[in-house]
Order: sequence, then C-alpha cells, then structure tokens
Amino acid sequence: QQQVKQSPQSLIVQKGGISIINCAYENTAFDYFPWYQQFPGKGPALLIAIRPDVSEKKEGRFTISFNKSAKQFSLHIMDSQPGDSATYFCAASMMGNFNKFYFGSGTKLNVKP
Amino acid sequence: NAGVMQNPRHLVRRRGQEARLRCSPMKGHSHVYWYRQLPEEGLKFMVYLQKENIIDESGMPKERFSAEFPKEGPSILRIQQVVRGDSAAYFCASSSQGAGANVLTFGAGSRLTVL
Repeated sequence: QQQVKQSPQSLIVQKGGISIINCAYENTAFDYFPWYQQFPGKGPALLIAIRPDVSEKKEGRFTISFNKSAKQFSLHIMDSQPGDSATYFCAASMMGNFNKFYFGSGTKLNVKP
Repeated sequence: NAGVMQNPRHLVRRRGQEARLRCSPMKGHSHVYWYRQLPEEGLKFMVYLQKENIIDESGMPKERFSAEFPKEGPSILRIQQVVRGDSAAYFCASSSQGAGANVLTFGAGSRLTVL
C-alpha cells in the first residue's frame, strides 16, 4: 500500500516558470513532511521540510504548502532554473518514531532553458 | 568532512552470488538506515540499525537479506543468492539521533545489477 502518493510522474517547465509537485498521504499520524532532491547518480538530499502546525514554509525559491484537512502537501519552485532539473521526492514520517520515511514515487522535473 | 560513504558504487553479480554493500555513516552519527530504490520508483525503507543492534527490519525481505552495524567498521547490507529482482540502487542514510531527529543524510548509493 502506497503511504504517500505523488504526482505528476514527470514535469516539463520553461525557465522562469513555476514548478508544482503534489503529494497526498493517508496516515494522520504523520507529522513531518520533507522534500528531497535527487540528481542522477547521487543520493537524495534534503531540500525543505514542514511540520503540520504551519500551512506554508518558504526557503528561497522553494515553498511547501500544507493542507492538513485534505492530507495534502505540495512543493512550489518559483522562477524555475535548468539547474533545478532533478527528481523530487516527497516523504512523510512520525516524529515520535525513529526516522522511518515513507517516500512518494518521485517527480522528474525538466526545466527547459 | 566526508558525508555518508557507500561502496561499492556499482556492483555486478550473477544470479546465485552474494552481494555485500558497505556504508560508513557521517562522523558523529550512530544511526544507520538502508533504503532500496527500484527503477522509476521511490525509496523503500529496509532496516534501521544502531551500533550492534537492529532496531527495525520491517522492510527487509524475509529471506536472503541481512544487515549489521558492528561496533567497529561500516554497516553492511548482505544479499545472498541474488536474483534479477534484487537489481536496484541501495541507499544508506545516517542521523545523529533516532526518534525526533528527522534529518537523514543519504549516501550516493550502491547500484546492484544482477545478470
């Protein structure tokens, strides 16, 4: 059973545009939602994360929007750049537990120059 | 200041052989996690270890797979009698704390190909 569902599977955006990736979860016990960025041949790297006590978190061009009632969260990349081209994974975990993360299936982002 | 070090980066095995993947956590980290990434899929949790202890192995296949994190040396993920379906990228991550830390640092992965 997929604990975290991610869409779209792939995304093409023009340079300067906004990239939006969506995730949904079922388990209301999840209370930590990170996004990871992975370049080909590399391991995932933490990009930004949010806890459910806030509805939005922004770090530079990256923003997480969180809707607790809908059990959904999304990543927005403003002013997308070719260097942002990578695979993005959303994830969820429970703080009271150890660091066992449930990952979405990934979104391959291609930013066209 | 090395991050999480994994080796080998690439490993090719024939069906029935054994694969051993090694992971050295970041300096100061005593918690190690192994995740598997199948092609075009997200990462799936396999096992969580602390020094000399397996804390949770709920994601490990029941047979052929084992993991250890000895008092000295790297963590090792061992796959016996490999089959083609074991072909995947295996990522190790480490953290400085267990519950509540929530910040995992991943290695670059070991890509296993089973012929």
